[in-house]
Amino acid sequence: SAVISQKPSRDICQRGTSLTIQCQVDSQVTMMFWYRQQPGQSLTLIATANQGSEATYESGFVIDKFPISRPNLTFSTLTVSNLSPEDSSIYLCSVGTGATGNQPQHFGDGTRLSIL
Amino acid sequence: SQQGEEDPQALSIQEGENATMNCSYKTSINNLQWYRQNSGRGLVHLILIRSNEREKHSGRLRVTLDTSKKSSSLLITASRAADTASYFCATENNFGNEKLTFGTGTRLTIIP
Repeated sequence: SAVISQKPSRDICQRGTSLTIQCQVDSQVTMMFWYRQQPGQSLTLIATANQGSEATYESGFVIDKFPISRPNLTFSTLTVSNLSPEDSSIYLCSVGTGATGNQPQHFGDGTRLSIL
Repeated sequence: SQQGEEDPQALSIQEGENATMNCSYKTSINNLQWYRQNSGRGLVHLILIRSNEREKHSGRLRVTLDTSKKSSSLLITASRAADTASYFCATENNFGNEKLTFGTGTRLTIIP
């Protein structure tokens, strides 16, 4: 399975600033996803990071708040903009195979974000 | 919300006992996956069961799937202290986009 490196593992940020999270995969993958996990909650899909085109956002998430880049098949970034205390969460990237073979999806270790 | 439900929300058992967690979902699926998360870290994939499968085993794990009831269960046999974690089910839809919808999770505590 793909090895996924996510950076930073944690950060503490001031209100109104932005944080960019990086997700690096050791092999080319078709599908990359970004999830948010609020404290004590389950995971919610933010968007699908599409290589060479704009990300596809889920209901309740917008590009201005969560801009995503996917410059190639091994790398993606998620920026959380204009931070507020409500953004304190764990953010996780995951990768899929893009194949119709019922393959498991694998996750990075996550970025724990706290807002002062 | 399309999020699935898991029960129980929390479960505490003695080491060596079996633990059963249940997951219900709302829409048609391509497959259902179970994950473990230790102390708010990344998710570890445990097992994937396809929509046309009814039961699957992996070591001490046994997963069942009932698509007519839109439900699944995860059984961990002979539990160990290291099994203490949160467990999530996640369903992949059958639209071919690999998007996962997660259940609410079960917090499992194994008492030594």
